[in-house]
Amino acid sequence: GAGVSQSPSNKVTEKGKDVELRCDPISGHTALYWYRQSLGQGLEFLIYFQGNSAPDKSGLPSDRFSAERTGGSVSTLTIQRTQQEDSAVYLCASSSQASQYFGPGTRLTVL
Amino acid sequence: GQNIDQPTEMTATEGAIVQINCTYQTSGFNGLFWYQQHAGEAPTFLSYNVLDGLEEKGRFSSFLSRSKGYSYLLLKELQMKDSASYLCAVRDSYSNYQLIWGAGTKLIIKP
Repeated sequence: GAGVSQSPSNKVTEKGKDVELRCDPISGHTALYWYRQSLGQGLEFLIYFQGNSAPDKSGLPSDRFSAERTGGSVSTLTIQRTQQEDSAVYLCASSSQASQYFGPGTRLTVL
Repeated sequence: GQNIDQPTEMTATEGAIVQINCTYQTSGFNGLFWYQQHAGEAPTFLSYNVLDGLEEKGRFSSFLSRSKGYSYLLLKELQMKDSASYLCAVRDSYSNYQLIWGAGTKLIIKP
């Protein structure tokens, strides 16, 4: 595809369950970012992947959050034992140079 | 510390001109970005400034003054579809890959 894709578009889960969010970046983009955005708020950086380098995990809010990127392409963000405060839109972006291109996001609702 | 400031909300009239300001304080500087985000959608890239001066792109222009830590986004001939949030982000040269994001300015266009 031409752009960044994310799945699912919406996810409703119960508190305490684990969820996996997927991101397919633009082909050839070496950098991949995960952000979180709560309603009416700005973007909160979570994690960054660049090529084969170790990811920058400095934005992950707790050890319940983890992410991996397989083969330098698809990335999965996993949230374990979800809490209500995890409810937000999770955005993935990829870039090859300066500009970041965003996917449509996954809206996560934890009941 | 790192800080990006922009007004929370602005209102303008269809057909008019509006200027959205952004001031920043970061450890380093390697470019400033403006993104547009419609409600419920992902941010989309508008402009990139790395040198001082004005960059014009159709109805949108972006200005940068590095010495003042200041940028603005100028929107001309406003249309109702310009109602959106406008996000300012600075690329920090101390972490060359990360964008530091402002909280966004919600622009409301009235007929």
